[in-house]
Amino acid sequence: KNEVEQSPQNLTAQEGEFITINCSYSVGISALHWLQQHPGGGIVSLFMLSSGKKKHGRLIATINIQEKHSSLHITASHPRDSAVYICAVRSSARQLTFGSGTQLTVLP
Amino acid sequence: AAGVIQSPRHLIKEKRETATLKCYPIPRHDTVYWYQQGPGQDPQFLISFYEKMQSDKGSIPDRFSAQQFSDYHSELNMSSLELGDSALYFCASSLVGDEQFFGPGTRLTVL
Repeated sequence: KNEVEQSPQNLTAQEGEFITINCSYSVGISALHWLQQHPGGGIVSLFMLSSGKKKHGRLIATINIQEKHSSLHITASHPRDSAVYICAVRSSARQLTFGSGTQLTVLP
Repeated sequence: AAGVIQSPRHLIKEKRETATLKCYPIPRHDTVYWYQQGPGQDPQFLISFYEKMQSDKGSIPDRFSAQQFSDYHSELNMSSLELGDSALYFCASSLVGDEQFFGPGTRLTVL
């Protein structure tokens, strides 16, 4: 079993829909990251969370430390949101352990 | 704002050749991480440096070595390249314990 599990693996939505991507992890962590990877490979850091909730524009990330679960929400989705969204956790070591990513496609 | 810079962006090598990848962290960041992402794979941690000293080591092959220099840039040296080394190599930088910021990656193709 992977230390970081994401669901769904693939998600197709219509423009304007509310989107949720889930991440569960099995290890103790000091922080959880949500990352965005576009075709061509570049990775952009969206959020780093250790508790509670963060919001940036149309993106909201939440984490429940007791349940070892985090969600990434996208409100009013747009085709430019199409990308792979990756959950990554930082445990006692400083490096990140990555989930397998969620491929999001938003159709116009 | 300055971002993490990686060079080259693309690199094509033959089997058994050597490659050197460079990473220039965000100014004042003291920690550099190297990750490898094979085709269709999750990124995997290779190695990290804090204040020019190796801090953590992951699944880095013995054929690879890395160092961080006095100006905080880092180089990943890869020798005796194999077909399986073809991947996207990411560098990330941070202040220790803080959010990691990723470079655009170097796409290495081994023929």
